[in-house]
Amino acid sequence: DAGVIQSPRHEVTEMGQEVTLRCKPISGHNSLFWYRQTMMRGLELLIYFNNNVPIDDSGMPEDRFSAKMPNASFSTLKIQPSEPRDSAVYFCASSLGASGSLDEQFFGPGTRLTVL
Amino acid sequence: AQRVTQPEKLLSVFKGAPVELKCNYSYSGSPELFWYVQYSRQRLQLLLRHISRESIKGFTADLNKGETSFHLKKPFAQEEDSAMYYCALRFGYNKLIFGAGTRLAVHP
Repeated sequence: DAGVIQSPRHEVTEMGQEVTLRCKPISGHNSLFWYRQTMMRGLELLIYFNNNVPIDDSGMPEDRFSAKMPNASFSTLKIQPSEPRDSAVYFCASSLGASGSLDEQFFGPGTRLTVL
Repeated sequence: AQRVTQPEKLLSVFKGAPVELKCNYSYSGSPELFWYVQYSRQRLQLLLRHISRESIKGFTADLNKGETSFHLKKPFAQEEDSAMYYCALRFGYNKLIFGAGTRLAVHP
């Protein structure tokens, strides 16, 4: 298994443009998480899904951000319009979704987003 | 509110020296704590979890509820231990909040 797959690995765009980040979770995993990492705020949870349903989106910074999970093997995080302060590394993670502390999150390699 | 604090941004030691990476948490419920590690050019990965009481790569961490701490320790650091280390607290369904991270640099 290649693990969690994210694309693109790097994205450079101009302010105002729409950005779409993609994630393929590990096959068989029922939970999917989107995180953002910045120097100022560290690693923050944006949203997570269980069985393709958004469970908690309280970490989504504002309406410019949206996330979807149309099926068990694909999720997107969209920023429209993008702003320079959105520049960060965005991580996707997945887990089996089992209850208890033994449920481990597996992280993707991240997408480094730069908004000029 | 839930919070994880890692007071040191950088910890620099020589090979063979003991290592202690500090982590303190704030949580009103029963805490579930983890250490994640990110080696250079690799993905963030789970190192150990408090509930397992395990030693991974020579690292151990003990949950101290009285001091609300979960410090990561290793008696003899190796160069290959150089990495970013993140302490994380799990709450709710499966939410993790992370500390700011500590960069461990082990010098020969």
